[in-house]
Amino acid sequence: AQSVTQPDIHITVSEGASLELRCNYSYGATPYLFWYVQSPGQGLQLLLKYFSGDTLVQGIKGFEAEFKRSQSSFNLRKPSVHWSDAAEYFCAVGAGYSSASKIIFGSGTRLSIRP
Amino acid sequence: NAGVTQTPKFQVLKTGQSMTLQCAQDMNHEYMSWYRQDPGMGLRLIHYSVGAGITDQGEVPNGYNVSRSTTEDFPLRLLSAAPSQTSVYFCASSFDKMDTQYFGPGTRLTVL
Repeated sequence: AQSVTQPDIHITVSEGASLELRCNYSYGATPYLFWYVQSPGQGLQLLLKYFSGDTLVQGIKGFEAEFKRSQSSFNLRKPSVHWSDAAEYFCAVGAGYSSASKIIFGSGTRLSIRP
Repeated sequence: NAGVTQTPKFQVLKTGQSMTLQCAQDMNHEYMSWYRQDPGMGLRLIHYSVGAGITDQGEVPNGYNVSRSTTEDFPLRLLSAAPSQTSVYFCASSFDKMDTQYFGPGTRLTVL
């Protein structure tokens, strides 16, 4: 079964600074990888996803993520954060279309922005 | 398009009571799922459905039942509520199992 780890529970960055949120997964084959964002009191919204092809994926709101098979990682990056980026971010991993496969979410990283 | 709708938004139950959380989507998605969100634990899959008439268990199915009689609706039933079921519940739908999931606004449930 697959698993996903987000090592950072809470990160604070200054507005305008760069951001990297870490995500590590455990799965034997190429997984389906997702990043979702949850604003306070809201449901989750997809930022980006990776299934195959180019390992650098562009998403909405200026976010990108890079799939690194050798490191089993799918870290989320943004070159310059805005106060509106304050939210909780979830990495998720899917193990394909077998009957037993599911999408598993990480425990989340809460992002705070320092003015 | 309303997307994914959930009712109610808030609910307080007493231990032992039963209730149904409603979820509906108008995107003709085959795949629907229920998650619970607890602090520090992310989202955990309760039950899911790959189409009308087909449901399966997720990571934490105990104490919950689901059915899928139509493509649009996927209600979640709590049979006998327990304080451990205090949580925020999210319903989601997607075109298929590994596609982008669209989430409802959530139901905050408190069991006393």
